[in-house]
Amino acid sequence: QVQLVESGGGVVQPGRSLRLSCVASGFTFSSHAMHWVRQAPGKGLEWVAVIWYDGSKKYYADSVKGRLTISRDNSENTLFLQVNSLRAEDTAVYYCARDLESGFYRLDYWGQGTLVTVSS
Amino acid sequence: DIQMTQSPSSLSASVGDRVTITCRASQSISRYLNWYQHKPGKAPKLLIYTASTLQNGVPSRFSGSGSGTDFTLTISGLQPEDFATYYCQQSYVAPPEFGPGTKVDIK
Repeated sequence: QVQLVESGGGVVQPGRSLRLSCVASGFTFSSHAMHWVRQAPGKGLEWVAVIWYDGSKKYYADSVKGRLTISRDNSENTLFLQVNSLRAEDTAVYYCARDLESGFYRLDYWGQGTLVTVSS
Repeated sequence: DIQMTQSPSSLSASVGDRVTITCRASQSISRYLNWYQHKPGKAPKLLIYTASTLQNGVPSRFSGSGSGTDFTLTISGLQPEDFATYYCQQSYVAPPEFGPGTKVDIK
C-alpha cells in the first residue's frame, strides 16, 4: 500500500536551516508529482510547494519563495524540503503528499507529518 | 492567485444530521475543486475531487456539488467518525490554495 513517511523535524533556532525528508513506498514514486503542505499550530492547511514527477518544474507559495527549496531523488524514492533562515512562523507540522498526476493538484495520499518548531 | 473562502468556519451538529459546507473561489475554477477531511494528529484525507467525484473508499453519505466559483460539501447523516475539519482546495492552477477550513464538532 502507499506509504509516505516524513522525517527531519525538530526544535531549531531562528535563522538556522533544516532539511525535511519524505520516503515513499508502495507506488512508482518517479511517476508522480509530490507536494509539501504545512499546518501551523491552531491554523489551517497551507500549501507550500510542488515538484513535478521528474523534477522539471517546481512551484512555491509566495510566503516561502526564496527560503524553501523542494527537491527529489527518484532513485531513493525520497522527497526533500530544504528550509533556510527559519522563522517563528515556519513552526508547523509539515506533510508530504502525492499528486495523482503532475499538474492535477489532487493530493490523494498524505504522510503523517513531521513537526518543526522554531524557537530559541 | 486564486483565494478560497469557506463558510461557516465551524459548526456544531448531532449524529444523523445533514451538514452543508460552502466553499467559494475568488475567480472561476470550473469544477477543479477538491475536498479533504482532517482529524487531529492524522494525515489529511482526500474525500472528493473535481467537485463531485467521490474518492475510492469514501462513504456515499459525502457528496459535493458546484462549478465556477461556488461549491458545497454535504454530509447526509453525520456519523461519529465524521467530526473533523474539512478543507476545500482549488486544483485549477498553481498555487493550489486551500480554504481556511470548517470544523465540524459535536453538539
